[in-house]
Amino acid sequence: DAGITQSPRHKVTETGTPVTLRCHQTENHRYMYWYRQDPGHGLRLIHYSYGVKDTDKGEVSDGYSVSRSKTEDFLLTLESATSSQTSVYFCAISDGSQTQYFGPGTRLLVL
Amino acid sequence: AQSVTQLGSHVSVSEGALVLLRCNYSSSVPPYLFWYVQYPNQGLQLLLKYTSAATLVKGINGFEAEFKKSETSFHLTKPSAHMSDAAEYFCAVGSSSNSNSGYALNFGKGTSLLVTP
Repeated sequence: DAGITQSPRHKVTETGTPVTLRCHQTENHRYMYWYRQDPGHGLRLIHYSYGVKDTDKGEVSDGYSVSRSKTEDFLLTLESATSSQTSVYFCAISDGSQTQYFGPGTRLLVL
Repeated sequence: AQSVTQLGSHVSVSEGALVLLRCNYSSSVPPYLFWYVQYPNQGLQLLLKYTSAATLVKGINGFEAEFKKSETSFHLTKPSAHMSDAAEYFCAVGSSSNSNSGYALNFGKGTSLLVTP
């Protein structure tokens, strides 16, 4: 399995609070991605990174920001959490080939 | 833009029966196509991928998929279902049209496979 960890694995928070999710990889891959998974929607891309300090928006980026200060870490921040951001969040990595490898996911509940 | 459509959000088969999960794609450039499997409370695991080397692609756990350009399809099959195949299956399409994104994927909505004894 690709060396990808996500933390926390589960989080409950309240509306309006900031939340940061962490993705950590040990593969030294250039590309990193954040997706959210919701029933009936599959996985949708939130943000991605193509190098340290190089990030861009995906399909559903509103309300989210990201940062990548080191190759191995990609942080996803919900600036002010809303109930619509209750979801399962997956990080993925790629070395630039066609294949992405996924982390175990973070379950976020916003009350 | 690339997209995939998975026909059937739920598929039920008997143990030992053929598994057929349908995926159709839309892409303006040569696509890269993937099938991922997700077991309950786990991440996504790559089953197989098509990258233009061969139209019939064999993956893990006895699954295979055939790329048919004329039908814009990439259906997933397995000759004989096992109870352990029960999971959510996702078809995805990627391309290199945006070099910054690497091969960012667009996923279908998923098909939940139920295997009955």
